[in-house]
Amino acid sequence: NAGVIQTPRHKVTGKGQEATLWCEPISGHSAVFWYRQTIVQGLEFLTYFRNQAPIDDSGMPKERFSAQMPNQSHSTLKIQSTQPQDSAVYLCASSPGLGGATQYFGPGTRLLVL
Amino acid sequence: GDSVTQTEGLVTLTEGLPVMLNCTYQSTYSPFLFWYVQHLNEAPKLLLKSFTDNKRPEHQGFHATLHKSSSSFHLQKSSAQLSDSALYYCALCRNNNNAPRFGAGTKLSVKP
Repeated sequence: NAGVIQTPRHKVTGKGQEATLWCEPISGHSAVFWYRQTIVQGLEFLTYFRNQAPIDDSGMPKERFSAQMPNQSHSTLKIQSTQPQDSAVYLCASSPGLGGATQYFGPGTRLLVL
Repeated sequence: GDSVTQTEGLVTLTEGLPVMLNCTYQSTYSPFLFWYVQHLNEAPKLLLKSFTDNKRPEHQGFHATLHKSSSSFHLQKSSAQLSDSALYYCALCRNNNNAPRFGAGTKLSVKP
């Protein structure tokens, strides 16, 4: 089991450019989550999917951020017109369920917007 | 809405001393509580999670007791080790329809 896979591990973009982050969840897991991690804010919930359907995107900034899960093997987080304040580690996690189920995190994508 | 509070941003201890990291929560439900640990340059990993039958979960010498009366799930260990230095997150999950919510995290630094 390779665990949750995230690509790229590091990404540097210029202000105003687009960034697409990829996540491959653990096979068989029904829930996929996206978090943003910074020193100041800690782990911020962004959005999650269950059985590929978007369930809760209450943590997503309303503009510029979007997430999709076109099939059960991958999810993408897209940030349009990136800004320096978007610089963070973006973590993807998958889980076999919700409630008391354990989340398994990927290694994260470190995004730096210059 | 649900929330998790970790009051300490940084806890510094000498090796061998007891560890206690605070976690309190607010929820109108009876949620599941978790502790995740993140070592430097690694992904967060589950350390402990609460049981529904009030048993006390233990792992790697750490334990935590869910106290519904005080809405707390403090993390404890009798004797800190250098390898315990890491970032610790307390998290809450209400039920099967909601994503877990995390506290701000507590950085534990254990010195020789």
